[in-house]
Amino acid sequence: DTGVSQNPRHKITKRGQNVTFRCDPISEHNRLYWYRQTLGQGPEFLTYFQNEAQLEKSRLLSDRFSAERPKGSFSTLEIQRTEQGDSAMYLCASSKEANQPQHFGDGTRLSIL
Amino acid sequence: RKEVEQDPGPFNVPEGATVAFNCTYSNSASQSFFWYRQDCRKEPKLLMSVYSSGNEDGRFTAQLNRASQYISLLIRDSKLSDSATYLCVVIGPLDTGRRALTFGSGTRLQVQP
Repeated sequence: DTGVSQNPRHKITKRGQNVTFRCDPISEHNRLYWYRQTLGQGPEFLTYFQNEAQLEKSRLLSDRFSAERPKGSFSTLEIQRTEQGDSAMYLCASSKEANQPQHFGDGTRLSIL
Repeated sequence: RKEVEQDPGPFNVPEGATVAFNCTYSNSASQSFFWYRQDCRKEPKLLMSVYSSGNEDGRFTAQLNRASQYISLLIRDSKLSDSATYLCVVIGPLDTGRRALTFGSGTRLQVQP
């Protein structure tokens, strides 16, 4: 299956720890998006990349969050000094071009103890 | 006011019933509209795009009313497998470049035997 792949699927950590998630988009998809979804809500946009360039970050993305896509392929999302409020599902999506449909990965579910 | 609003439901309907969901969006200059489906603890999946003239895909019909700023999804002859959360999605005018998706909170559908 060559869909969007995210890992880990689940991450449980203590408050204050750093965590890093990885997203492998569909091959040759130029656009890569990160979203966050909490229970009972729809996903919310966090940031996106066009190839290796991070073009925009949402106001939801505090200074503790950083995302990279160093070679324009996979992307990582790091959260430093995690807080209870960071508990959520982190979803990655990719699209071939700006106007093409976005395909989502299974997500990484983060639980902060 | 949320950018995209949906009735959270749940809508409990018997198999074979016809069910309709509405969604309203706040920004009249919004560009593109979609319905996504999300199963419990799974990623969102594109169900269909919504076009100004209305469009149909099998048992599913989507319509857009720009004057009243709402989108609808009609499901005919509902199946047990239609049970899911249906997310209304908009690409707003500020998102023309980034094409980030703005999601509603979702409407839960439960089809009962």
